[in-house]
Order: sequence, then structure tokens, then C-alpha cells
Amino acid sequence: TQLLEQSPQFLSIQEGENLTVYCNSSSVFSSLQWYRQEPGEGPVLLVTVVTGGEVKKLKRLTFQFGDARKDSSLHITAAQPGDTGLYLCAGGGTSGSRLTFGEGTQLTVNP
Amino acid sequence: SQTIHQWPATLVQPVGSPLSLECTVEGTSNPNLYWYRQAAGRGLQLLFYSVGIGQISSEVPQNLSASRPQDRQFILSSKKLLLSDSGFYLCAHANYGYTFGSGTRLTVV
Repeated sequence: TQLLEQSPQFLSIQEGENLTVYCNSSSVFSSLQWYRQEPGEGPVLLVTVVTGGEVKKLKRLTFQFGDARKDSSLHITAAQPGDTGLYLCAGGGTSGSRLTFGEGTQLTVNP
Repeated sequence: SQTIHQWPATLVQPVGSPLSLECTVEGTSNPNLYWYRQAAGRGLQLLFYSVGIGQISSEVPQNLSASRPQDRQFILSSKKLLLSDSGFYLCAHANYGYTFGSGTRLTVV
């Protein structure tokens, strides 16, 4: 069974601070995805990384896929209250295949 | 564009009552469809997935069942709900990234 471990589980910071969330596994994944979920809503896909060592930037968010495709990180610069939510990483294989989800990191950005 | 509809948004049901949650997808054909359950603020547990009409795979033994009567319709059911069935249920379809429905908050009382 492929497992994804996310850390930290909870993170509470002040507006303007930087943060990094980690997603680690002993398994190799063909792709790694990050989702953000707000209370009472379904998760929304933020990014997909598929190449070892790949770095993608989405405004203040930077996503990195490890060289061995076993781990990933999400870095947020100058966090804002609107970044508050549950961040989930998910590893998968080819298009349409089942994803394995991490347990999530609950981020709270205080104004 | 692809959209996914899930209803109802909230549901309160007594123990022992039946359950039927429906999910429909638009804008795609022959999608892979999934039912997940999520504990409060935590990760997603895969319950069922389907790669086509009438094809259902169960990931964990449980009190629930799923059916796919049409290509773009996925139904989650139970004959008799248990307290432990309470949770947030999410339907999703896969197309190189999952698109999730807005979820159903089920409370069994």
C-alpha cells in the first residue's frame, strides 16, 4: 500500500510569513498533485507535477517534486488569510488512475 | 467544460434508515468515478471506484454499496445506516487530476 505522509498536520501563522508543507513517501509516484480544500467544499486541484526535480510556481505558491519522485513540498510566500484551508497532497500513476491522498495540513493564516 | 454535481449538500438520517447519494458528471464521457469519505479536516478515504457502467470496485469493507447505472451517474447507497457512517462524502471524476463535487455532509443520529 502506498502511503503519503504530510507534515506538519496543523500550522497557524501570521499574515506575511512564509511556510513550507511537506509530503513524503517511501513509494515512487508517476505524478504528485496538491489540492486545497475549504470547509464544506470539495478539494480543488492546485497543481500537478510529473517530472523528478520539477518546480512549478503559481503566484505566491511554489511546488517542488523530489528528484526520486517520492516527495514533494509546497512553499507559500507572504501568506494571506485567504490561503487558509486544508492542503492535501496526492500521488498517482497514469491519467485517470486512483490517487493516494495524504492526511492533509490544516493551515490557518491570521490577519 | 467538465462539471460534477453531487446532492444533497447535507443530510441527517436516523440509524437504520436507507441512504442514496447521487453524483452526475457533465462534459466528459466514460469517466473514472470515485466515492471518498473524509473525516473532519483530514485526508480522503477511497470507498469505491468505477471505470465504466456496472463496474464497481470496493476499497474497504463497509456498510455501503455503490452502483453506476449510467455512464455519467454514480450512486452511493446503504440499506441500513450506522452511526459510524457519518462523515463528509465526496464524489470525483479523474482526468489527469481529480475534479470533486461539493460534497454531502451526512449525519446519522
